[in-house]
Amino acid sequence: GAGVSQTPSNKVTEKGKYVELRCDPISGHTALYWYRQSLGQGPEFLIYFQGTGAADDSGLPNDRFFAVRPEGSVSTLKIQRTERGDSAVYLCASSGSASGSPDTQYFGPGTRLTVL
Amino acid sequence: GENVEQHPSTLSVQEGDSAVIKCTYSDSASNYFPWYKQELGKGPQLIIDIRSNVGEKKDQRIAVTLNKTAKHFSLHITETQPEDSAVYFCAASIIGSARQLTFGSGTQLTVLP
Repeated sequence: GAGVSQTPSNKVTEKGKYVELRCDPISGHTALYWYRQSLGQGPEFLIYFQGTGAADDSGLPNDRFFAVRPEGSVSTLKIQRTERGDSAVYLCASSGSASGSPDTQYFGPGTRLTVL
Repeated sequence: GENVEQHPSTLSVQEGDSAVIKCTYSDSASNYFPWYKQELGKGPQLIIDIRSNVGEKKDQRIAVTLNKTAKHFSLHITETQPEDSAVYFCAASIIGSARQLTFGSGTQLTVLP
């Protein structure tokens, strides 16, 4: 596609519920990243995929967070037993030589998650 | 791990003036330094980046300088326009490794007409 897309754009849920956030990377990009951005802060790294495998998941805050990328394209970030502290904007980025430098990360518009 | 500090947190300039935002990093292995612009309700958009094999890079009204010895880099915007108003983030990473970006805390730039 023309850019990174994320759905939904907004998600409101109740404490304790399960949520899934979806990311469609730029076509041909092999690397995909998830970041979390709290109000007034810079994005914080969560997890990085190279192809289908999670190459680095050191940023996931705890075992309630999990992400998959089964076919090496679309990725889903899954949050179990949501807590109010999970409220943030979840950003997805992708990179790859298909669009110039393989190190340049292109971000999607984000999903704003609100846990009531 | 890497730590990136960014100053100032807010910056107001008159239209047509220059704006400078500064960042320092802690990991001497970092060798890739992008700058992102984020408008309200949108994702970060890359505006310029620099690799450690060069000391300066310019793209029209935007320039970035890098001092590897001091581990700091700066964004310079000349002839500012109201549409430059946004939050700007610096970041650092290591090319070819896990590539995760470590971001600064952001600078809210306001260009007054």
